[in-house]
Amino acid sequence: NAGVTQTPKFRILKIGQSMTLQCTQDMNHNYMYWYRQDPGMGLKLIYYSVGAGITDKGEVPNGYNVSRSTTEDFPLRLELAAPSQTSVYFCASSYRGPNEKLFFGSGTQLSVL
Amino acid sequence: AQKVTQAQTEISVVEKEDVTLDCVYETRDTTYYLFWYKQPPSGELVFLIRRNSFDEQNEISGRYSWNFQKSTSSFNFTITASQVVDSAVYFCALRTMNRDDKIIFGKGTRLHILP
Repeated sequence: NAGVTQTPKFRILKIGQSMTLQCTQDMNHNYMYWYRQDPGMGLKLIYYSVGAGITDKGEVPNGYNVSRSTTEDFPLRLELAAPSQTSVYFCASSYRGPNEKLFFGSGTQLSVL
Repeated sequence: AQKVTQAQTEISVVEKEDVTLDCVYETRDTTYYLFWYKQPPSGELVFLIRRNSFDEQNEISGRYSWNFQKSTSSFNFTITASQVVDSAVYFCALRTMNRDDKIIFGKGTRLHILP
């Protein structure tokens, strides 16, 4: 059971480049989330999804896009990368019910130079 | 709108001291969940506890305890007899049961346990 898998673990982008952060989970969770964590700061919600085909904006969605075509996958797309998007990105999944909690991936460290 | 405030940015205590981490939340919903997560220096996020809004019972798990008070919208976390391994960033989080279904985190409290 792999849990939540994020790729890549590290990436350096040049300003203006685009990339997709991959996130997949094998727990059949309906709920998936993308957070960013800036140095010394808390977790900010970028986008989330309550099921395949349904996505919604979080606290800081500008500059990002998501899709959820399957239950397992929730990729995060960065268009026209900017230095302000330098951060650690965490994907998480969850279910609703007893013992509900977020299962986090190991994170992607992204630098935009 | 929902909000989680962790006013203590950083705390340092000497090993074996007790320490309390504060969490204050805001929501208009009457039904919600509160969580605490730990982020050790290795960077992963570890679930500690979940509490729903109907359950104001305090929780104790070993050296950890949680005090949930709806009257003050607080969900504080106490570590008794702290150990160096408790050094980490601790996050409080809120999920409301409205249509948004977001999970919002506070900014975290960085805890240093000094030997």
